[in-house]
Amino acid sequence: GQQLNQSPQSMFIQEGEDVSMNCTSSSIFNTWLWYKQDPGEGPVLLIALYKAGELTSNGRLTAQFGITRKDSFLNISASIPSDVGIYFCAGQLGQFYFGTGTSLTVIP
Amino acid sequence: GAVVSQHPSRVICKSGTSVKIECRSLDFQATTMFWYRQFPKKSLMLMATSNEGSKATYEQGVEKDKFLINHASLTLSTLTVTSAHPEDSSFYICSAHRDQNTEAFFGQGTRLTVV
Repeated sequence: GQQLNQSPQSMFIQEGEDVSMNCTSSSIFNTWLWYKQDPGEGPVLLIALYKAGELTSNGRLTAQFGITRKDSFLNISASIPSDVGIYFCAGQLGQFYFGTGTSLTVIP
Repeated sequence: GAVVSQHPSRVICKSGTSVKIECRSLDFQATTMFWYRQFPKKSLMLMATSNEGSKATYEQGVEKDKFLINHASLTLSTLTVTSAHPEDSSFYICSAHRDQNTEAFFGQGTRLTVV
């Protein structure tokens, strides 16, 4: 099935730094979602976006639904060690399509 | 958020045996559930869409006779890996939606190891 282009593939950052990752697609989506997955666990929903241009925050996380409906970004401010994990974007058009994932490592 | 429970979380089975994985939506009814497979450090690959009361829809390349899906009620879908082989070892995850246009909630995943 279709997969979204997610970048970067991996990030190694110092605790306290800000993080930015994004997803792009050749298709238009009705919904963009961001999930975090810890090792051996299922993905957990972080933020859901339903309208083009929508900017939504959840604590230190901020995500935006691109105006073209073909992209989305996720920012994490002031990273902490527990932010470590794999972040996936997902676009919905009928079924869900997932990004390739961004592996985040936070160095204390 | 909504709770989706997946069981078991880990299972080890012998080659040739069958393994059943359950996915339950605990606080909402889900007419549709999805089953994914995930390889190490890779994204989720959709295997099939489980539809309550009807046959599952399988993605291209997924053997429906090998990965049997049953969605007998609005809160339960099961995936049975039949005649398991070592190459079936993987992390299997289900998801459920309250309705078609809402976000997916995922189960905890099942680590299957076939020896």
